[in-house]
Amino acid sequence: GDSVTQMEGPVTLSEEAFLTINCTYTATGYPSLFWYVQYPGEGLQLLLKATKADDKGSNKGFEATYRKETTSFHLEKGSVQVSDSAVYFCALANYGQNFVFGPGTRLSVLP
Amino acid sequence: DTAVSQTPKYLVTQMGNDKSIKCEQNLGHDTMYWYKQDSKKFLKIMFSYNNKELIINETVPNRFSPKSPDKAHLNLHINSLELGDSAVYFCASSPQTNNSPLHFGNGTRLTVT
Repeated sequence: GDSVTQMEGPVTLSEEAFLTINCTYTATGYPSLFWYVQYPGEGLQLLLKATKADDKGSNKGFEATYRKETTSFHLEKGSVQVSDSAVYFCALANYGQNFVFGPGTRLSVLP
Repeated sequence: DTAVSQTPKYLVTQMGNDKSIKCEQNLGHDTMYWYKQDSKKFLKIMFSYNNKELIINETVPNRFSPKSPDKAHLNLHINSLELGDSAVYFCASSPQTNNSPLHFGNGTRLTVT
């Protein structure tokens, strides 16, 4: 079946550092790919998405590119802030809106 | 205006009790979901309904029963609660069209003592 793998956390960075959270997937067909963010005590919020190969999703300084050849969708941000501290989930959706989530990566940004 | 709302936010109860969690969405979406998030933040799909019809029913104990009175509501009823049911339960919705993202509620933290 379809699956999503993310780098294990927690990831701890200093403010203004560069962030990469790796995500790879296994899926039949051509899924859509998503990054969600979960702040403490809240539900998951869509951060960005990409629906086909080579698409780049971006939002709030975060970016991720749909790489079909490496089946990856790594999340990057050039300069993180304390307010970016959260849990980040990579996810895919295949036909029938069947979503599969990665295990989540906790990010802590220190001032 | 809350798009996907769940009640209650917190639920503390004893083993053996029966409880319900309610979910409503005002986005006009056709599909609604229930997810369970464990203490390690791992998300697992439990159920999915499309226009009041069950379309995904993962391996979940039959003590869990979803009910969808209309396409804007998907409630979760849990019988004979067990310690292992303690988790955060998230309701979500999405349009039926492919590539559309999920919209999540803020979760219900269930603690079984």
